[in-house]
Amino acid sequence: DTEVTQTPKHLVMGMTNKKSLKCEQHMGHRAMYWYKQKAKKPPELMFVYSYEKLSINESVPSRFSPECPNSSLLNLHLHALQPEDSALYLCASSQVRQGAWGYTFGSGTRLTVV
Amino acid sequence: LAKTTQPVSMDSYEGQEVNITCSHNNIATNDYITWYQQFPSQGPRFIIQGYKTKVTNEVASLFIPADRKSSTLSLPRVSLSDTAVYYCLVGAPKGGGNKLTFGTGTQLKVEL
Repeated sequence: DTEVTQTPKHLVMGMTNKKSLKCEQHMGHRAMYWYKQKAKKPPELMFVYSYEKLSINESVPSRFSPECPNSSLLNLHLHALQPEDSALYLCASSQVRQGAWGYTFGSGTRLTVV
Repeated sequence: LAKTTQPVSMDSYEGQEVNITCSHNNIATNDYITWYQQFPSQGPRFIIQGYKTKVTNEVASLFIPADRKSSTLSLPRVSLSDTAVYYCLVGAPKGGGNKLTFGTGTQLKVEL
């Protein structure tokens, strides 16, 4: 299995809602990432998990709460979002050992906040 | 962290070879150079990766000079379906995960 699976593919939520984005990989990668991408812009790093522990938080507002329950799963919990948080949310995974490597990205969740 | 610089956009015609260059002056010794392709509303897709000299796979070639401060992605005989944004990323695996920053990418437009 060489894929990163993200669910749901599309999500519309109100500003008072609580929702979660899910990401799953079975490649044995021990680093997992959340990126946010606005239209016509490059992906921006939000969070990095390494060995199921949060290692990098790029000063993301607390209304975004990541969780890594095990080595295959990564969640992003959303609460009290703003319309400007509407974007494509991308999950990725990678190896952490030395040598040739690369990100494997999921297809993303298109989030619309109304 | 290695910062990358690419042309913002390029235009080409079907059947032509396209070369996209990426500058990464502060590349580190352990860093690899990886190119990704992204279509609208999809995640970036791995194209090719290299460390030095030349790498070729079924879709592209990657040329890296000896000083490794730049790299060139070569797409032979492009088609309309190659219209996408192409990103060059530079980095190496780290135990704490990688804090990689995407540059602006290159929007390639292929026409008939």
